[in-house]
Amino acid sequence: GAVVSQHPSRVICKSGTSVKIECRSLDFQATTMFWYRQFPKQSLMLMATSNEGSKATYEQGVEKDKFLINHASLTLSTLTVTSAHPEDSSFYICSARDPRVMSYEQYFGPGTRLTVT
Amino acid sequence: QKEVEQDPGPLSVPEGAIVSLNCTYSNSAFQYFMWYRQYSRKGPELLMYTYSSGNKEDGRFTAQVDKSSKYISLFIRDSQPSDSATYLCAMSALGGGSEKLVFGKGTKLTVNP
Repeated sequence: GAVVSQHPSRVICKSGTSVKIECRSLDFQATTMFWYRQFPKQSLMLMATSNEGSKATYEQGVEKDKFLINHASLTLSTLTVTSAHPEDSSFYICSARDPRVMSYEQYFGPGTRLTVT
Repeated sequence: QKEVEQDPGPLSVPEGAIVSLNCTYSNSAFQYFMWYRQYSRKGPELLMYTYSSGNKEDGRFTAQVDKSSKYISLFIRDSQPSDSATYLCAMSALGGGSEKLVFGKGTKLTVNP
């Protein structure tokens, strides 16, 4: 199946700093990528849908100025958490669709655990 | 009412047992139904994918969708300790290339040797 990677896998930062998380599709070109957040014992919550070459579509309640998403190429999307606060600590997971596959599967990355101190 | 309801468990069974995992949903527009397996601190991995109603079998796994009852199930036969993980159901309403998946909370399963 298609492979999606994320970097870093874990990051600890101080309150007020910004953190960038990368999501890459390794063996396919992803025109659409998705960013999720998952709190402990909670479901994955979609934050935004990222389309290559255009602005991301954010879900209701997600601050687009705080969570900056850039999908500059067909294999890379980045999520930048700006001015991070402890409540932003969470597990961030990206996924991507493989346009070659005639289904609606999303292939997930391994996730990035963000801890804001 | 949440769009997708899933009992978080935890569920603990002995090795070899048949496991039944379920989700209910409220949005009748959902057409695509998926089950993901997520190991601790990892991203979800697609297990089963079903379009509309019916059954689908893949090895020890069987997915069932009953759209009239808005109820989906995943059965695991001859469960193994390696099946211990959190199982998430996910659903999507339509195609078009930018489908939004709505996830259940996940059910944590432990299979004891």
